[in-house]
Amino acid sequence: DAGVIQSPRHEVTEMGQEVTLRCKPISGHNSLFWYRQTMMRGLELLIYFNNNVPIDDSGMPEDRFSAKMPNASFSTLKIQPSEPRDSAVYFCASRQSQGRNEKLFFGSGTQLSVL
Amino acid sequence: GNSVTQMEGPVTLSEEAFLTINCTYTATGYPSLFWYVQYPGEGLQLLLKATKADDKGSNKGFEATYRKETTSFHLEKGSVQVSDSAVYFCALTDNYGQNFVFGPGTRLSVLP
Repeated sequence: DAGVIQSPRHEVTEMGQEVTLRCKPISGHNSLFWYRQTMMRGLELLIYFNNNVPIDDSGMPEDRFSAKMPNASFSTLKIQPSEPRDSAVYFCASRQSQGRNEKLFFGSGTQLSVL
Repeated sequence: GNSVTQMEGPVTLSEEAFLTINCTYTATGYPSLFWYVQYPGEGLQLLLKATKADDKGSNKGFEATYRKETTSFHLEKGSVQVSDSAVYFCALTDNYGQNFVFGPGTRLSVLP
């Protein structure tokens, strides 16, 4: 299995531009998580989906952030408009089911720099 | 809500030294507990897990025991190597498998 695939690996953009991050979970997994990692705040949960339905989006910073999961094999995280404080590494992770014993598999992350 | 607390880093050790990274948690019910490791430039990967009280998770010489009475899940290794240098995250998922909460991470540097 190819694992969780994220794209792009690196993104450099200017303040005010729209940014779209993409994630392909492992085939057969039905839970998907988006995290943001910074030195100051560590690893923050932004949103997670179960069976393509958003379950908890309380970690989404503000209306500039939105996430979708149109089908079981694809999810996007969009920032519009982007700001310098959004600079971080964004991770996508998936797991096979919502069971308490299920481990998370992480992608390699997208390094976002907003200038 | 559920939360995880870890010892502040960074932790710097010499090769072959003994490692302990403390982790305590707050959760209702019976969470499952995990240790993840992140090597430079990579995503997190599972190191070990324990799903009920008194369970011991182990992998690659690392161990952690689920202690419900002290709400702890401390990570230990008897003899660290330079290749163990990484950031270590303690995490939990709740009774129902909802959410997945991570601690702030502890950076470990092992010197030759």
